[in-house]
Amino acid sequence: DAKTTQPNSMESNEEEPVHLPCNHSTISGTDYIHWYRQLPSQGPEYVIHGLTSNVNNRMASLAIAEDRKSSTLILHRATLRDAAVYYCILRDVWGSGNTGKLIFGQGTTLQVKP
Amino acid sequence: GAVVSQHPSRVICKSGTSVKIECRSLDFQATTMFWYRQFPKQSLMLMATSNEGSKATYEQGVEKDKFLINHASLTLSTLTVTSAHPEDSSFYICSATRQGLLNTEAFFGQGTRLTVV
Repeated sequence: DAKTTQPNSMESNEEEPVHLPCNHSTISGTDYIHWYRQLPSQGPEYVIHGLTSNVNNRMASLAIAEDRKSSTLILHRATLRDAAVYYCILRDVWGSGNTGKLIFGQGTTLQVKP
Repeated sequence: GAVVSQHPSRVICKSGTSVKIECRSLDFQATTMFWYRQFPKQSLMLMATSNEGSKATYEQGVEKDKFLINHASLTLSTLTVTSAHPEDSSFYICSATRQGLLNTEAFFGQGTRLTVV
């Protein structure tokens, strides 16, 4: 399984943008880049995913490097509710018998200060 | 949006007893579901892949006879922790993706906190 590397922790001020980086230098051509976040004592929550192009949704934006070896999750205006552990995961969905399982790394713990 | 529901959300059991955890996809079908375990201050660890109508696939180091998985329908997978011991106390989480749409997002249950006393 391809690996991702994220900083252990980051801090942000409320209502400021947050850029969460992720390195995935061994990404394959069929790996999607997924981001999930987890609040304490809850299951992970989907944030965003993409393959090659940048993606936007109501929660965040995903900027993918041209060589796809890194990506950045962008929270445009952090709120206290965005404090969570953010996981960047590569998901291979092609190939016979591929189940698309998600393998979690350690993620980035985001603290948001009021 | 799609919802995955786990039951119970919290359970306390005595050492040596068995506990069953249910995972349901409420508004979509899933031929494959995943079971994770998470210890305090740690990340999620994949335990097994639950396959509808066939045997589950366990990750290395996970005892298949201790963690029984049954995926009897396209919307329900169960995880039974047999002969539970205090070291099995953990947060168990299931996940599913819409059938045939692996290039979309995965949905997670709210988790089950198991405490073995």
